[in-house]
Amino acid sequence: DAKTTQPTSMDCAEGRAANLPCNHSTISGNEYVYWYRQIHSQGPQYIIHGLKNNETNEMASLIITEDRKSSTLILPHATLRDTAVYYCIVSGNAGGTSYGKLTFGQGTILTVHP
Amino acid sequence: KAGVTQTPRYLIKTRGQQVTLSCSPISGHRSVSWYQQTPGQGLQFLFEYFSETQRNKGNFPGRFSGRQFSNSRSEMNVSTLELGDSALYLCASKADSSYNEQFFGPGTRLTVL
Repeated sequence: DAKTTQPTSMDCAEGRAANLPCNHSTISGNEYVYWYRQIHSQGPQYIIHGLKNNETNEMASLIITEDRKSSTLILPHATLRDTAVYYCIVSGNAGGTSYGKLTFGQGTILTVHP
Repeated sequence: KAGVTQTPRYLIKTRGQQVTLSCSPISGHRSVSWYQQTPGQGLQFLFEYFSETQRNKGNFPGRFSGRQFSNSRSEMNVSTLELGDSALYLCASKADSSYNEQFFGPGTRLTVL
């Protein structure tokens, strides 16, 4: 799985958009970008994933650059409950050495301030 | 649907003992993965089971083992516990698809004294 690079920490004001960047310059053509978050003392929570098109769901939007070497997770209206560690993960389709495996980096600690 | 459940939530053991942790996946999910989370190493993949077979394995010593039952419930076992095994052990289940959207349980906090 390709390696990802994320900022160690970010701050965001409540109600504003939180834009979390991720670099994955060695991503290969069949690898997806996944985002998970982990709120303190809980298990990680899936947020969104994408291959090359922008994706949106009820939680967030995922913008992937055309060359697929970087992506941005957007939380459109951050709340205090969005304070968490956010992990950007690159993973192939769940086959072979990717079966059930997510390779977590250190993630970005997002702190949402009142 | 009920989420992924793990038992026990907290466990204290002493060095040299062994421990068994249990995970019940979301109904209908046949894939169960296990992870170890420590402050120093972060979240690390242990292994994955699907239909009672281990399909993938991380880089952990043989003291860490697991199994899966016909109802997809899974257990992991750690033998000859070491202080460094103190960690949050998480399991996750996923539906049968090519995507890696995993649903995590709350974890078991293991403390080795």
